[in-house]
Amino acid sequence: DSGVTQTPKHLITATGQRVTLRCSPRSGDLSVYWYQQSLDQGLQFLIQYYNGEERAKGNILERFSAQQFPDLHSELNLSSLELGDSALYFCASSPSGGANTEAFFGQGTRLTVV
Amino acid sequence: AQKVTQAQTEISVVEKEDVTLDCVYETRDTTYYLFWYKQPPSGELVFLIRRNSFDEQNEISGRYSWNFQKSTSSFNFTITASQVVDSAVYFCALSEPSNTGNQFYFGTGTSLTVIP
Repeated sequence: DSGVTQTPKHLITATGQRVTLRCSPRSGDLSVYWYQQSLDQGLQFLIQYYNGEERAKGNILERFSAQQFPDLHSELNLSSLELGDSALYFCASSPSGGANTEAFFGQGTRLTVV
Repeated sequence: AQKVTQAQTEISVVEKEDVTLDCVYETRDTTYYLFWYKQPPSGELVFLIRRNSFDEQNEISGRYSWNFQKSTSSFNFTITASQVVDSAVYFCALSEPSNTGNQFYFGTGTSLTVIP
Protein backbone atom coordinates (compact mmCIF):
# COMPACT_ATOMS: atom_id res chain seq x y z
CA ASP A 1 0.00 0.00 0.00
CA SER A 2 1.57 3.25 -1.21
CA GLY A 3 -0.49 5.46 1.08
CA VAL A 4 -2.01 7.31 -1.88
CA THR A 5 -5.78 6.86 -2.09
CA GLN A 6 -7.75 7.29 -5.26
CA THR A 7 -11.51 7.14 -5.59
CA PRO A 8 -13.42 5.74 -7.26
CA LYS A 9 -11.54 2.65 -8.42
CA HIS A 10 -13.81 2.17 -11.40
CA LEU A 11 -16.04 4.55 -13.28
CA ILE A 12 -18.27 3.91 -16.25
CA THR A 13 -19.91 6.88 -17.88
CA ALA A 14 -21.36 7.98 -21.18
CA THR A 15 -19.85 10.22 -23.81
CA GLY A 16 -20.42 13.88 -23.17
CA GLN A 17 -20.58 13.47 -19.42
CA ARG A 18 -18.36 14.99 -16.73
CA VAL A 19 -16.60 13.08 -13.95
CA THR A 20 -14.39 13.94 -10.99
CA LEU A 21 -11.54 11.76 -9.84
CA ARG A 22 -10.26 12.22 -6.33
CA CYS A 23 -6.83 11.69 -4.82
CA SER A 24 -5.57 11.81 -1.26
CA PRO A 25 -1.77 11.97 -1.11
CA ARG A 26 0.45 10.23 1.39
CA SER A 27 0.56 11.90 4.76
CA GLY A 28 3.12 14.71 4.64
CA ASP A 29 3.44 14.83 0.87
CA LEU A 30 2.89 18.28 -0.58
CA SER A 31 3.03 17.47 -4.27
CA VAL A 32 0.53 15.61 -6.39
CA TYR A 33 0.88 14.38 -9.96
CA TRP A 34 -1.77 13.13 -12.35
CA TYR A 35 -0.98 10.63 -15.10
CA GLN A 36 -3.10 8.98 -17.75
CA GLN A 37 -2.31 5.44 -18.87
CA SER A 38 -3.83 4.17 -22.06
CA LEU A 39 -2.83 1.25 -24.26
CA ASP A 40 -1.77 3.36 -27.20
CA GLN A 41 -0.25 6.34 -25.35
CA GLY A 42 1.44 4.72 -22.38
CA LEU A 43 1.90 6.78 -19.24
CA GLN A 44 1.23 10.41 -20.05
CA PHE A 45 1.90 13.21 -17.60
CA LEU A 46 -1.05 15.51 -17.13
CA ILE A 47 -0.29 17.97 -14.36
CA GLN A 48 1.59 18.55 -11.12
CA TYR A 49 0.59 20.52 -8.04
CA TYR A 50 2.64 21.57 -5.09
CA ASN A 51 0.99 22.83 -1.92
CA GLY A 52 -2.08 24.00 -3.80
CA GLU A 53 -0.27 25.64 -6.69
CA GLU A 54 0.02 24.31 -10.22
CA ARG A 55 3.68 23.59 -10.91
CA ALA A 56 3.94 21.76 -14.20
CA LYS A 57 1.58 21.00 -17.00
CA GLY A 58 1.83 18.21 -19.52
CA ASN A 59 -0.44 16.96 -22.24
CA ILE A 60 -3.62 17.83 -20.46
CA LEU A 61 -6.60 18.51 -22.67
CA GLU A 62 -8.58 21.72 -22.25
CA ARG A 63 -11.58 19.58 -21.32
CA PHE A 64 -9.64 18.40 -18.30
CA SER A 65 -8.87 20.45 -15.22
CA ALA A 66 -7.43 19.78 -11.82
CA GLN A 67 -6.86 21.43 -8.51
CA GLN A 68 -5.24 20.78 -5.18
CA PHE A 69 -7.12 21.87 -2.11
CA PRO A 70 -5.79 23.33 1.16
CA ASP A 71 -5.97 19.89 2.78
CA LEU A 72 -3.72 18.74 -0.10
CA HIS A 73 -6.17 16.35 -1.68
CA SER A 74 -6.54 16.77 -5.39
CA GLU A 75 -9.30 16.36 -7.92
CA LEU A 76 -9.11 15.80 -11.65
CA ASN A 77 -12.17 16.90 -13.57
CA LEU A 78 -12.84 15.43 -16.98
CA SER A 79 -15.64 16.91 -19.04
CA SER A 80 -17.28 16.38 -22.43
CA LEU A 81 -15.97 12.86 -22.25
CA GLU A 82 -15.07 11.00 -25.40
CA LEU A 83 -14.50 7.31 -26.01
CA GLY A 84 -10.79 8.01 -26.29
CA ASP A 85 -10.67 9.27 -22.71
CA SER A 86 -11.12 5.72 -21.49
CA ALA A 87 -7.95 5.00 -19.55
CA LEU A 88 -6.42 4.35 -16.18
CA TYR A 89 -5.83 7.62 -14.35
CA PHE A 90 -3.15 7.65 -11.73
CA CYS A 91 -2.45 10.07 -8.97
CA ALA A 92 0.97 10.10 -7.36
CA SER A 93 2.43 12.09 -4.51
CA SER A 94 5.87 13.04 -3.27
CA PRO A 95 7.12 15.11 -0.35
CA SER A 96 8.66 17.97 -2.29
CA GLY A 97 7.70 17.45 -5.90
CA GLY A 98 11.31 17.74 -6.94
CA ALA A 99 13.05 15.74 -9.63
CA ASN A 100 15.19 14.02 -7.01
CA THR A 101 12.28 12.41 -5.22
CA GLU A 102 10.34 9.38 -6.22
CA ALA A 103 6.59 9.59 -6.45
CA PHE A 104 4.27 7.04 -4.93
CA PHE A 105 1.30 6.08 -7.02
CA GLY A 106 -2.24 5.27 -6.07
CA GLN A 107 -4.08 2.25 -7.42
CA GLY A 108 -5.62 4.33 -10.17
CA THR A 109 -9.13 5.03 -11.35
CA ARG A 110 -10.18 3.04 -14.36
CA LEU A 111 -12.46 5.20 -16.47
CA THR A 112 -14.57 3.64 -19.16
CA VAL A 113 -16.49 5.93 -21.47
CA VAL A 114 -19.28 4.23 -23.38
CA ALA B 1 11.82 12.48 -29.16
CA GLN B 2 11.37 9.77 -26.61
CA LYS B 3 13.38 10.52 -23.48
CA VAL B 4 13.19 6.95 -22.21
CA THR B 5 13.30 3.94 -24.46
CA GLN B 6 12.47 0.44 -23.43
CA ALA B 7 12.99 -1.52 -26.58
CA GLN B 8 11.80 -4.83 -25.18
CA THR B 9 8.03 -4.84 -25.36
CA GLU B 10 7.51 -8.34 -24.00
CA ILE B 11 9.82 -10.91 -22.44
CA SER B 12 9.02 -14.44 -21.34
CA VAL B 13 11.32 -16.49 -19.18
CA VAL B 14 11.05 -19.74 -17.33
CA GLU B 15 11.08 -19.55 -13.57
CA LYS B 16 14.56 -19.37 -12.03
CA GLU B 17 16.09 -17.87 -15.14
CA ASP B 18 17.81 -14.50 -14.93
CA VAL B 19 16.36 -11.68 -17.00
CA THR B 20 17.58 -8.19 -17.85
CA LEU B 21 15.26 -5.36 -18.76
CA ASP B 22 16.87 -2.63 -20.82
CA CYS B 23 16.38 1.10 -20.42
CA VAL B 24 18.04 3.79 -22.49
CA TYR B 25 17.49 7.44 -21.71
CA GLU B 26 18.18 10.76 -23.34
CA THR B 27 18.86 14.02 -21.56
CA ARG B 28 20.99 17.13 -21.94
CA ASP B 29 21.14 17.71 -18.21
CA THR B 30 24.19 16.71 -16.21
CA THR B 31 22.04 16.13 -13.15
CA TYR B 32 19.07 13.86 -13.55
CA TYR B 33 17.34 10.98 -11.85
CA LEU B 34 16.32 7.56 -13.03
CA PHE B 35 13.63 5.30 -11.64
CA TRP B 36 12.17 1.87 -12.07
CA TYR B 37 8.55 1.07 -11.33
CA LYS B 38 6.69 -2.24 -11.38
CA GLN B 39 3.08 -2.59 -12.45
CA PRO B 40 1.72 -6.02 -11.47
CA PRO B 41 -1.51 -7.37 -12.96
CA SER B 42 -3.45 -5.69 -10.16
CA GLY B 43 -2.59 -2.39 -11.83
CA GLU B 44 -0.87 -0.19 -9.26
CA LEU B 45 2.55 1.30 -9.95
CA VAL B 46 5.11 0.28 -7.37
CA PHE B 47 8.32 2.24 -6.91
CA LEU B 48 11.45 0.07 -7.03
CA ILE B 49 14.50 2.31 -7.17
CA ARG B 50 15.82 5.82 -7.74
CA ARG B 51 19.32 6.51 -9.04
CA ASN B 52 21.08 9.88 -9.21
CA SER B 53 23.14 10.73 -12.27
CA PHE B 54 26.22 11.43 -10.18
CA ASP B 55 26.19 8.02 -8.56
CA GLU B 56 27.22 5.30 -10.98
CA GLN B 57 27.52 2.55 -8.42
CA ASN B 58 25.48 -0.47 -9.27
CA GLU B 59 22.89 -1.48 -6.74
CA ILE B 60 21.65 -4.82 -5.55
CA SER B 61 18.55 -5.47 -3.53
CA GLY B 62 17.86 -9.13 -3.02
CA ARG B 63 17.23 -10.69 -6.41
CA TYR B 64 17.10 -7.28 -8.07
CA SER B 65 20.11 -5.41 -9.38
CA TRP B 66 20.55 -2.29 -11.43
CA ASN B 67 23.38 -1.39 -13.79
CA PHE B 68 23.73 2.32 -14.46
CA GLN B 69 26.13 3.29 -17.26
CA LYS B 70 26.35 6.97 -18.16
CA SER B 71 28.62 6.22 -21.10
CA THR B 72 25.82 4.37 -22.84
CA SER B 73 22.92 6.27 -21.21
CA SER B 74 21.53 3.04 -19.89
CA PHE B 75 19.96 1.97 -16.64
CA ASN B 76 19.28 -1.74 -16.92
CA PHE B 77 17.43 -3.89 -14.43
CA THR B 78 18.25 -7.52 -13.78
CA ILE B 79 16.12 -10.00 -11.92
CA THR B 80 18.06 -13.03 -10.77
CA ALA B 81 16.34 -16.39 -10.34
CA SER B 82 13.02 -15.03 -11.55
CA GLN B 83 9.78 -16.04 -9.87
CA VAL B 84 6.19 -16.08 -11.05
CA VAL B 85 5.47 -13.12 -8.77
CA ASP B 86 7.89 -11.07 -10.87
CA SER B 87 5.42 -11.18 -13.75
CA ALA B 88 4.49 -7.56 -14.34
CA VAL B 89 5.07 -4.59 -16.57
CA TYR B 90 8.22 -2.72 -15.64
CA PHE B 91 8.68 0.95 -16.38
CA CYS B 92 11.84 2.99 -16.46
CA ALA B 93 11.48 6.74 -15.89
CA LEU B 94 13.58 9.89 -15.98
CA SER B 95 13.23 13.21 -14.21
CA GLU B 96 15.22 16.38 -14.80
CA PRO B 97 15.58 19.27 -12.33
CA SER B 98 13.57 22.30 -13.34
CA ASN B 99 12.43 25.59 -11.89
CA THR B 100 9.03 25.02 -13.41
CA GLY B 101 7.91 21.90 -11.65
CA ASN B 102 8.63 18.29 -12.31
CA GLN B 103 7.41 15.38 -14.32
CA PHE B 104 8.53 11.81 -14.76
CA TYR B 105 9.15 10.71 -18.32
CA PHE B 106 8.20 7.07 -18.56
CA GLY B 107 9.26 4.51 -21.09
CA THR B 108 6.64 2.36 -22.77
CA GLY B 109 7.27 -0.49 -20.39
CA THR B 110 8.44 -4.08 -20.69
CA SER B 111 5.94 -6.79 -19.98
CA LEU B 112 7.65 -9.67 -18.20
CA THR B 113 6.03 -13.07 -17.97
CA VAL B 114 7.66 -15.68 -15.77
CA ILE B 115 6.49 -19.16 -16.70
CA PRO B 116 6.37 -21.71 -13.89
